[in-house]
Amino acid sequence: GESVGLHLPTLSVQEGDNSIINCAYSNSASDYFIWYKQESGKGPQFIIDIRSNMDKRQGQRVTVLLNKTVKHLSLQIAATQPGDSAVYFCAENKGGSYIPTFGRGTSLIVHP
Amino acid sequence: EPEVTQTPSHQVTQMGQEVILRCVPISNHLYFYWYRQILGQKVEFLVSFYNNEISEKSEIFDDQFSVERPDGSNFTLKIRSTKLEDSAMYFCASSELGGMNTEAFFGQGTRLTVV
Repeated sequence: GESVGLHLPTLSVQEGDNSIINCAYSNSASDYFIWYKQESGKGPQFIIDIRSNMDKRQGQRVTVLLNKTVKHLSLQIAATQPGDSAVYFCAENKGGSYIPTFGRGTSLIVHP
Repeated sequence: EPEVTQTPSHQVTQMGQEVILRCVPISNHLYFYWYRQILGQKVEFLVSFYNNEISEKSEIFDDQFSVERPDGSNFTLKIRSTKLEDSAMYFCASSELGGMNTEAFFGQGTRLTVV
């Protein structure tokens, strides 16, 4: 039978390329957003966060963009490396809650 | 670097048996969480815990589940009578604060297999 949920969206890139991972969030009252990276067999690892009063935030090699009008979040990774290969989750803290609610995840595959 | 540790890394149990998953949160953290991830699916919130009581829980966290902080360091998740569909990775997380802009640190997870 069909295995619902086992097929994550996948982004394949070449080493050195820039990667953009997208996420549509569900709740317009969400006020805090986080990107997590999950490597195989490990727990989610915080990458970068952004508050709802911002539309862009930069870290080391990563940038998060927030478009509240269309409830869209993106993670840009510059000069992608093989070590960036992982599943990336966006998470939102819905208004009034401090509990991160995870989205579905995107699998990033970086080819050397 | 401080980290959240979970034991065991893999637990196999018979359907109907009780299991206890253990976590040691980061020492100065005050908020603790359990999440689960069924293979290939998203990470789902189960419960949060603060000041020795549950502060939020999801629909998944029914009467079969309980959490406890038996001493100053451990945070446990008990599943009273395991079902096949409880098979998943269970992640413990902790955060220093519980408000906005609070980063939650996750453990490596316990893989629970119910047979």
